[in-house]
Amino acid sequence: DAGVIQSPRHEVTEMGQEVTLRCKPISGHDYLFWYRQTMMRGLELLIYFNNNVPIDDSGMPEDRFSAKMPNASFSTLKIQPSEPRDSAVYFCASSIYRGLSYGYTFGSGTRLTVV
Amino acid sequence: GQQVMQIPQYQHVQEGEDFTTYCNSSTTLSNIQWYKQRPGGHPVFLIQLVKSGEVKKQKRLTFQFGEAKKNSSLHITATQTTDVGTYFCAHQGAGNMLTFGGGTRLMVKP
Repeated sequence: DAGVIQSPRHEVTEMGQEVTLRCKPISGHDYLFWYRQTMMRGLELLIYFNNNVPIDDSGMPEDRFSAKMPNASFSTLKIQPSEPRDSAVYFCASSIYRGLSYGYTFGSGTRLTVV
Repeated sequence: GQQVMQIPQYQHVQEGEDFTTYCNSSTTLSNIQWYKQRPGGHPVFLIQLVKSGEVKKQKRLTFQFGEAKKNSSLHITATQTTDVGTYFCAHQGAGNMLTFGGGTRLMVKP
């Protein structure tokens, strides 16, 4: 099992540009989560999906952020336009849930720098 | 989700010393999960506790869930340099949503 796969690992972009982060969850996992991590705010949940359907996007900072999960094996997080304050590490995680969680499996993250 | 507070925020120990991080909530928690994140890495699931007073061990790591299910602790015996990282507790709320504590960053001096 290759685990949760995120790409790219690093992204440096200029302010105003569109950024797309990608995630492939573990096969068979029915939940997918997008987190953002910064020193100041720690790990913040942005949005999560259950069976490809967005369940809670209350953590998405603003309209510049959008996320999709077109199928069970792929999700994207898009920032348009990007701003320097979006600089952070973005993690995707997946899990299986049967009335009780069995823990999340995180990807290696995408380190985003907006200059 | 329910807030979980972790203390301390940072801890420096000499290699061989013990280390404990605490996770507290003002409300009863249905469960607690613990994760470890190495510097530059991603959070890795360690364990889940669900029962009142539960104690679980993984080698030198001991995890406890309080009797009132409002607090939890992670204790490491005789720390090693490989224990360096940030330890997070997290509570699973409705719909499999995890809320993470702020983490305790452990630094070990060889």
